[in-house]
Amino acid sequence: GQNIDQPTEMTATEGAIVQINCTYQTSGFNGLFWYQQHAGEAPTFLSYNVLDGLEEKGRFSSFLSRSKGYSYLLLKELQMKDSASYLCAVREETTDSWGKLQFGAGTQVVVTP
Amino acid sequence: DTAVSQTPKYLVTQMGNDKSIKCEQNLGHDTMYWYKQDSKKFLKIMFSYNNKELIINETVPNRFSPKSPDKAHLNLHINSLELGDSAVYFCASSQARLTGGGITTTEAFFGQGTRLTVV
Repeated sequence: GQNIDQPTEMTATEGAIVQINCTYQTSGFNGLFWYQQHAGEAPTFLSYNVLDGLEEKGRFSSFLSRSKGYSYLLLKELQMKDSASYLCAVREETTDSWGKLQFGAGTQVVVTP
Repeated sequence: DTAVSQTPKYLVTQMGNDKSIKCEQNLGHDTMYWYKQDSKKFLKIMFSYNNKELIINETVPNRFSPKSPDKAHLNLHINSLELGDSAVYFCASSQARLTGGGITTTEAFFGQGTRLTVV
C-alpha cells in the first residue's frame, strides 16, 4: 500500500514562490506525478519524476529523492490563476499495476494579491 | 476537441436507482481508468481497462460494473445507488508501454468529471 502525505493548505502572495512537499511510503515505486486541479475541474498533468533530481518546466519545478521518499513541487512567480489544489501521486511498480496512481489528498494553494 | 470526455457532468438521482456514466477518449490510448473523488478530495482508483480487458479492480462494491465496448470507451454502471456513492467520478486514460522492467504507462489524462448526488 501507499501512504502519501502533503500539507492541506498553503497561502502565498502573487509573485512569490511556494514549495509543496510530498512524502510517501510505498511497497513499490515507479514514478511520482504532480497534478493541478482547479475547483470543479479535472486534474491536469504538471510534472513527472522517476529518477532523483530536479525537473524544470517553466515556472514549475519538481524534485525527487527516492531514498528519502520525498518530492516537492516549486511554483515560482505565483499568479492568481495558480490558486488550485496540487495533487501528489505515486505510480506503483510496473508488474501487474499498469500505471495505477495513488494520490495524496492534495494541497490547496491560495494566492493573494 | 476534448481529449477525454464523460457524460453527464452532473447527475442527481434517488437512492435505489440505477445509473450509467459514459466516457470516451480520442487520444488513441489503450488504457482507461475510473477514479472516485470523495468529499475530502481523495482521488481513488476503482477500475482500469487495457484494450477492453479489466486489469485493475480495487475493492469496489459489485454494484459498480464497468464496461469497455472498445479501447476508446469505458462506461460505468451503478446499481442500487446509495447515499455514500455521492462523489465526483473521473474517467482517465493513458498509454501502456513495455519497458525492461515490465509494463508502465504515460501520464494519465482526466475527463472533466461527473458529479453524482444521491438523495
